[in-house]
Amino acid sequence: DSGVTQTPKHLITATGQRVTLRCSPRSGDLSVYWYQQSLDQGLQFLIHYYNGEERAKGNILERFSAQQFPDLHSELNLSSLELGDSALYFCASSVGLLVGQETQYFGPGTRLLVL
Amino acid sequence: DQQVKQNSPSLSVQEGRISILNCDYTNSMFDYFLWYKKYPAEGPTFLISISSIKDKNEDGRFTVFLNKSAKHLSLHIVPSQPGDSAVYFCAASAGVNSGGSNYKLTFGKGTLLTVNP
Repeated sequence: DSGVTQTPKHLITATGQRVTLRCSPRSGDLSVYWYQQSLDQGLQFLIHYYNGEERAKGNILERFSAQQFPDLHSELNLSSLELGDSALYFCASSVGLLVGQETQYFGPGTRLLVL
Repeated sequence: DQQVKQNSPSLSVQEGRISILNCDYTNSMFDYFLWYKKYPAEGPTFLISISSIKDKNEDGRFTVFLNKSAKHLSLHIVPSQPGDSAVYFCAASAGVNSGGSNYKLTFGKGTLLTVNP
């Protein structure tokens, strides 16, 4: 158990809909990262929040947004869903800002299926 | 543009033998390299890392080798055990000391390792 929790585990929805994925980081971790893993793809970095502030964006679509709340949990909002958004979405947390030098602890992921 | 490449989608080895997983990268600004292991229905778990100032790092049965001139790293598992069967991801980041922005981990697509009893 990494200490990172993600809800829900599975989500099935229809095209055009909007969903929210939730992540609670490990106790004491200030950074939260979101990744997308599509079929036969590696993990693609989406966005990074540190202590409530956005720090970096990867290849995140404009239809996607995220935020980190004062209690440090984070939500990833996906809207106007398309079939291609079906993927595993992982959240990870780390203590600080040293990407690469600090271990990122991953949650179990949310499997999203868009029909 | 795939900056981190794991060209072998799968690898099968016998228990007790050595497993060698390979990873190539193209970005010369990468200066931290990591290996993550992933079991089905779980998130990736950090395994071992190496800084670009080193060419080898060991942790028990796991050793990572880095060849900067060839932009290549490899993960050696000796001896391999059935419990090592998982998908292994190589990842890299470009730190500020190397002129990079250090803002993200770039992952390869993974190699499925199967260790047969």
